[in-house]
Amino acid sequence: GENVEQHPSTLSVQEGDSAVIKCTYSDSASNYFPWYKQELGKGPQLIIDIRSNVGEKKDQRIAVTLNKTAKHFSLHITETQPEDSAVYFCAASSGGYQKVTFGTGTKLQVIP
Amino acid sequence: DSGVTQTPKHLITATGQRVTLRCSPRSGDLSVYWYQQSLDQGLQFLIQYYNGEERAKGNILERFSAQQFPDLHSELNLSSLELGDSALYFCASSVSQGSGTGELFFGEGSRLTVL
Repeated sequence: GENVEQHPSTLSVQEGDSAVIKCTYSDSASNYFPWYKQELGKGPQLIIDIRSNVGEKKDQRIAVTLNKTAKHFSLHITETQPEDSAVYFCAASSGGYQKVTFGTGTKLQVIP
Repeated sequence: DSGVTQTPKHLITATGQRVTLRCSPRSGDLSVYWYQQSLDQGLQFLIQYYNGEERAKGNILERFSAQQFPDLHSELNLSSLELGDSALYFCASSVSQGSGTGELFFGEGSRLTVL
């Protein structure tokens, strides 16, 4: 089955700096890559996703890049703010009825 | 607010006991998924139901079972509880049959502590 590895497990950045979280996946059939943000005491919430027919997607301060050849994808957050502090999960799926496999999460702390 | 409701929010019980966790999906969502979140282990997929039928199974123990009722709410039953079952259990819902096709909407979770 699919295996998703996520790094780093913790990340501290100064407010205004950029944060990058990297993930690798094992199943070459995977074609859907969502990112979820989990705030303290809440359930994960989708913040951005990318499908394999594109290499990059942006939404305001967040962007995701995908390298299908290398089987890795990354989340980039620019101009970080304290409210970006949360646990971020990457995930991969081969779509359709296949389940989404999550990474182990990255705890991001933005220091004011 | 995701629209997914989970009860109870917190549950403390003893080893060997049985508990039931309940989930009401977003209005209109036919798929319900159960995930277990343990420390340092991310989100582990347990099981999925679509419109009352089991669709996919993950790493769900034989001591655990689930079902989805005609009104689409779902229950996860955990029996013969062990210390290692202590975790946060999330329910998620989606419109589609497969989680790989779009957004999952997560509830706030049920935190189970087994003493």
